Amino acid sequence: KQEVTQIPAALSVPEGENLVLNCSFTDSAIYNLQWFRQDPGKGLTSLLLIQSSQREQTSGRLNASLDKSSGRSTLYIAASQPGDSATYLCAVCMEYGNKLVFGAGTILRVKS
Amino acid sequence: NAGVTQTPKFRVLKTGQSMTLLCAQDMNHEYMYWYRQDPGMGLRLIHYSVGEGTTAKGEVPDGYNVSRLKKQNFLLGLESAAPSQTSVYFCASSPGRKTTYNEQFFGPGTRLTVL
Repeated sequence: KQEVTQIPAALSVPEGENLVLNCSFTDSAIYNLQWFRQDPGKGLTSLLLIQSSQREQTSGRLNASLDKSSGRSTLYIAASQPGDSATYLCAVCMEYGNKLVFGAGTILRVKS
Repeated sequence: NAGVTQTPKFRVLKTGQSMTLLCAQDMNHEYMYWYRQDPGMGLRLIHYSVGEGTTAKGEVPDGYNVSRLKKQNFLLGLESAAPSQTSVYFCASSPGRKTTYNEQFFGPGTRLTVL
């Protein structure tokens, strides 16, 4: 059974700091991996999707990497801003079937 | 484009009552999904559909039924609500495996409380 773990569970940083969020998964037979952002009381916004054949994806100040063989992904946020405060969720789509398996998320607070 | 919409946004039920949650997407996506989100547990898949007229069970299907009579709509039904079904329900859709990126797009959620 696929299990997805996100570390840390919560993170508080001063504005301007670069930071890394970690995601690990137990079964490397994945189709893709998605990083989402969730604001309090809101739905999920897709940030980046990495196919299993890719190593990284970039969007603005965000960079996500994938090491499929070791079961790890990282989300790098450069020059953090208070508006980045949210919960960040990692989810893997299995190679067989269509299920997204989610981690519990990292709650990020960027202090001004 | 409205993307993925969900109706209603909030609902309070009494134990034993029934209700249907409606999900609609205007992106012509093949796949649709229903998830529930509970505190500290991330999202868990309830049921999903890979095309009009098809449905399949996810990780936590008990107590729920679904139907996909039209490609753009995916309905989630609770026949006899229980307090354990108090949760936030999210619908999502994706283009399908025939596309390069089978990215899932989520609706705003429905907050359900069962008393």
